[in-house]
Parts: sequence; C-alpha cells; structure tokens
Amino acid sequence: DAGVTQSPTHLIKTRGQQVTLRCSPKSGHDTVSWYQQALGQGPQFIFQYYEEEERQRGNFPDRFSGHQFPNYSSELNVNALLLGDSALYLCASSLQGAPNSPLHFGNGTRLTVT
Amino acid sequence: AQTVTQSQPEMSVQEAETVTLSCTYDTSESNYYLFWYKQPPSRQMILVIRQEAYKQQNATENRFSVNFQKAAKSFSLKISDSQLGDTAMYFCAFRNNNNAGNMLTFGGGTRLMVKP
Repeated sequence: DAGVTQSPTHLIKTRGQQVTLRCSPKSGHDTVSWYQQALGQGPQFIFQYYEEEERQRGNFPDRFSGHQFPNYSSELNVNALLLGDSALYLCASSLQGAPNSPLHFGNGTRLTVT
Repeated sequence: AQTVTQSQPEMSVQEAETVTLSCTYDTSESNYYLFWYKQPPSRQMILVIRQEAYKQQNATENRFSVNFQKAAKSFSLKISDSQLGDTAMYFCAFRNNNNAGNMLTFGGGTRLMVKP
C-alpha cells in the first residue's frame, strides 16, 4: 500500500519563476493538504483540497494556488517566486469526514529559490 | 486563531533514560485534537501519539505517553527508555474538530538528541 508520494524531491528555481509540485495521496484518501516548512520551523498550513475544490486556506498570498484531480492527486503552484519561498513543502492526505483518521505525510519537496 | 508553543528548542537524553517534551497551546475551542509528530532526517512527518480533548485519560503508545492538562492547555510528551532512533525533531500540533477540515497548527519544534 503506497503512502503519500511527492515529486520532485528537490528543486532549484530562480526568483520570479514559477514552480509546480505534485502529490499523490495514500490509497483510500480523498483529501490533500499542503504545508510549507521553513528551515528550523514548524510546518505552516497553505490550503486543503477536497472534491477538486479548495476548502480551507491559510495565510498565504494568491501566488500560491493549487489543483486537485479526479484521482485525488494534487498540485501546488507558486508564481513569481521569492527568496522567502525557499522551504520544504509537505503534502498530507486524509479521509474527509473521518476525524479520527490521522494525516499521512509525504517526504516533501525541498524548494530552493536563488 | 490557535497557537502552539514549544519552549524547548533542543533537548538531549541518554539512551534508556526518560525525557519529557513540553507543549502549550491557546484556543477558545472545546472540541479538538492534539498530536505529537516526529520528523527524522528523512523529512517525513510521522504520527507519534494523539489525544482527543474530550478524553480525560492520557494517551499512551508503547514507550510514548502524554500528560494532557486541558485547563492549563498543556500537552507534554514523555518518552521512556529512549532509543537512538528517537533522535529527531518533535512537533506538537493542534486540530480543531469543529469543522470539516484537517488543518493542523504546529509548534516550532523541539530537536531531541538521544546519546549513546
């Protein structure tokens, strides 16, 4: 049973560029959340997707957008990259309507903006 | 909005000994979950233990247990018989159970080093 998979594992971009990160949820999960983890800090919630719609959003600018596909996989897009966007981006999946179901995290994508 | 505070940036413990990691939180909600996650160098967040706020009994998972003090809004993690593999970042996290979302609010983390 595959867990949460993220790609790529590492990425280097230049300021002003755009980036797309990908996530496949754990088998049986239908909800995907994205988190940004700056170096030495705890993860910060970006947004959550369920039924191909953004359901919740954290305090992140519109440069951060996402998408969920019919197979429940998800993409995180960041436009006009800033140096401060350098971080580990974590994807987590869960089952909607099951509060006892814990989040399952992927290994993350390390984004470096130069 | 909820906040989670971990006041110990780093801790160390000798192998086989016991260590306690602290966490406090602030919320006006009454129905919520609290979690401890472990993040080893592999970067994956691994759930260690969770506590439902409505349960008075403290959660335990093998060598891991919590001391949940709801009135004090405190949620500490005790690791007994520490092992080298317990070396990692530990994050305390809060989840409001009053909506359909799964948003977690994390603390800043505690880096735990288990010494042989």
